Amino acid sequence: DIQMTQSPSSVSASVGDRVTITCRASQDIANWLAWYQQKPGKAPKFLIYAASSLQSGVPSRFSGSGSGTDFTLTISSLQPEDFATYYCQQANSFPLTFGGGTKVEIK
Amino acid sequence: QVQLQESGPGLVKPSETLSLTCTVSGGSVSSGSYYWSWIRQPPGKGLEWIGYIYYSGSTNYNPSLKSRVTISVETSKNQFSLKLNSVTAADTAVYYCARAPHSGYDFDYWGQGTLVTVSS
Repeated sequence: DIQMTQSPSSVSASVGDRVTITCRASQDIANWLAWYQQKPGKAPKFLIYAASSLQSGVPSRFSGSGSGTDFTLTISSLQPEDFATYYCQQANSFPLTFGGGTKVEIK
Repeated sequence: QVQLQESGPGLVKPSETLSLTCTVSGGSVSSGSYYWSWIRQPPGKGLEWIGYIYYSGSTNYNPSLKSRVTISVETSKNQFSLKLNSVTAADTAVYYCARAPHSGYDFDYWGQGTLVTVSS
């Protein structure tokens, strides 16, 4: 199985801050990576696919980059509605696997 | 707008079978453009992919659960289902159904999730 490791596991930030989350795959997954946002009691929301493509309707302050084994999700200017947990997921091979999550908290 | 809705018992006894159904609206499980998946999340923990089914009936399961899992599709009802047998407390989780485009194995639409507790 491909292991997905996210860092940090949590981050405290203020509205307007730039936040970067890292996801590392245990083997090369090319650009087969997705990012999700999950708020308490809700299903994950699809943000980014193919490492850097923004899903329709997702604000442009979200961006993704990377290929191979190292990926990042960046929120350019954190908004109140962005406080949530973020997960990466590799879509390269089975079984599909997710990172452990990064919780973005209010500072 | 595609919507997915999970349904099924919220409480299952140990050693019994967990059964859930996902009803799809605004789209068709018969579409060759999508895979239909189950994903679970134990309370306070991360996400685990369980498996998917294609409209043709072909399936792919997580090896960690493969011996206990069956996913099936009922095209006439626009539903797909999950059965997980011989459950234990470790199977307590929120279970989500989700759609993955055929072009890539990521999940663009999710159900709201349903909590299944395994307890006697």
